[in-house]
Amino acid sequence: GENVEQHPSTLSVQEGDSAVIKCTYSDSASNYFPWYKQELGKRPQLIIDIRSNVGEKKDQRIAVTLNKTAKHFSLHITETQPEDSAVYFCAARREYGNKLVFGAGTILRVKS
Amino acid sequence: NAGVTQTPKFQVLKTGQSMTLQCAQDMNHNSMYWYRQDPGMGLRLIYYSASEGTTDKGEVPNGYNVSRLNKREFSLRLESAAPSQTSVYFCASSAGFSEGTEAFFGQGTRLTVV
Repeated sequence: GENVEQHPSTLSVQEGDSAVIKCTYSDSASNYFPWYKQELGKRPQLIIDIRSNVGEKKDQRIAVTLNKTAKHFSLHITETQPEDSAVYFCAARREYGNKLVFGAGTILRVKS
Repeated sequence: NAGVTQTPKFQVLKTGQSMTLQCAQDMNHNSMYWYRQDPGMGLRLIYYSASEGTTDKGEVPNGYNVSRLNKREFSLRLESAAPSQTSVYFCASSAGFSEGTEAFFGQGTRLTVV
């Protein structure tokens, strides 16, 4: 089955710096890769996603890149702000079967 | 539009007791999921239902059972609760792949087994 590994487990950056979180997946049939943000005590919410027919996607300060050959994808946050502090999860899903598997999460702390 | 609704929000059980966590979605989604969240372990998939009438095991199914009652509802049952099942449980739902794939989460159930 699918296995998703996420690194680092914790990340501290200074306000205004960039943050990068990386994930690898094991199932070559996975073709949908979302990223979720979870604030303390709240439910996870989608912030950006990418399908396997696309190599990169941007939404304002957030971008995701995908390398299908190496089976890894990354989340990039530029110009970090204190409100970016949260836990971030990557995930992978096959088109058929709809099984959605998450990584272990990254605690991002943005210091002001 | 409520999205995904879980009940209860909090529960304390004694070891050996049973309970059912309820989940309902009003977005006409085909797929539904149950996850547990433990510190440092992320969101681990317990069971999922790709469509009405089907259920499949996830990464950590032992000690749990599920029922996809209809398209809206997907329940999770603990037959004999154990302290190791103390966790926060999230239900989620998503549409079919071709229709949009975002998974929406419920607000979570904090379960403590003593």
